[in-house]
Amino acid sequence: DAGVTQSPTHLIKTRGQQVTLRCSPISGHKSVSWYQQVLGQGPQFIFQYYEKEERGRGNFPDRFSARQFPNYSSELNVNALLLGDSALYLCASSLSVGGETEAFFGQGTRLTVV
Amino acid sequence: GENVEQHPSTLSVQEGDSAVIKCTYSDSASNYFPWYKQELGKGPQLIIDIRSNVGEKKDQRIAVTLNKTAKHFSLHITETQPEDSAVYFCAPFHFGNEKLTFGTGTRLTIIP
Repeated sequence: DAGVTQSPTHLIKTRGQQVTLRCSPISGHKSVSWYQQVLGQGPQFIFQYYEKEERGRGNFPDRFSARQFPNYSSELNVNALLLGDSALYLCASSLSVGGETEAFFGQGTRLTVV
Repeated sequence: GENVEQHPSTLSVQEGDSAVIKCTYSDSASNYFPWYKQELGKGPQLIIDIRSNVGEKKDQRIAVTLNKTAKHFSLHITETQPEDSAVYFCAPFHFGNEKLTFGTGTRLTIIP
């Protein structure tokens, strides 16, 4: 069975550009969450979506946005990139929300802003 | 918000010895206590968890102990092997919350 898949795996962007990261959850999982992991730190929560609706938002600026599609895949968009946005972006999927079921993480997208 | 600290930040042990990592949290409403392992180039993977109605849980070489009164829980790895080398994160949580709050991580290195 395929796990959580993220694309692309690596990405280099210039300051001020926009980026879109993609996530496909495990088949049957309806919840997708996004996390940012800066080098040397633990992942920080950005968004959670369940059944195409936003269920939670972390402490990130409005430059960050996301959406979930009818097939439960998700995109994370970041506008006006800053050097500080360089990080590993992780997607996690789970059957439901509220932590009742295990969250499975993808391998992440490594974003480098130069 | 939840304040989560892990100690130590780095840990080196001889292969075959035991390793212990401690996680301290601030939210008294936390009722679910997982540990994640992150290997190089991979996302975090759940390795063991415990709920607040039990004090200890064991799964082969790994165990988690919980002291809810003192608001800390620990990961214990016995008979360590080279493949245990990774970064370990705790992420205390309360059901109904929408997010995991990860600790700062502990880099465990097993010396052959």
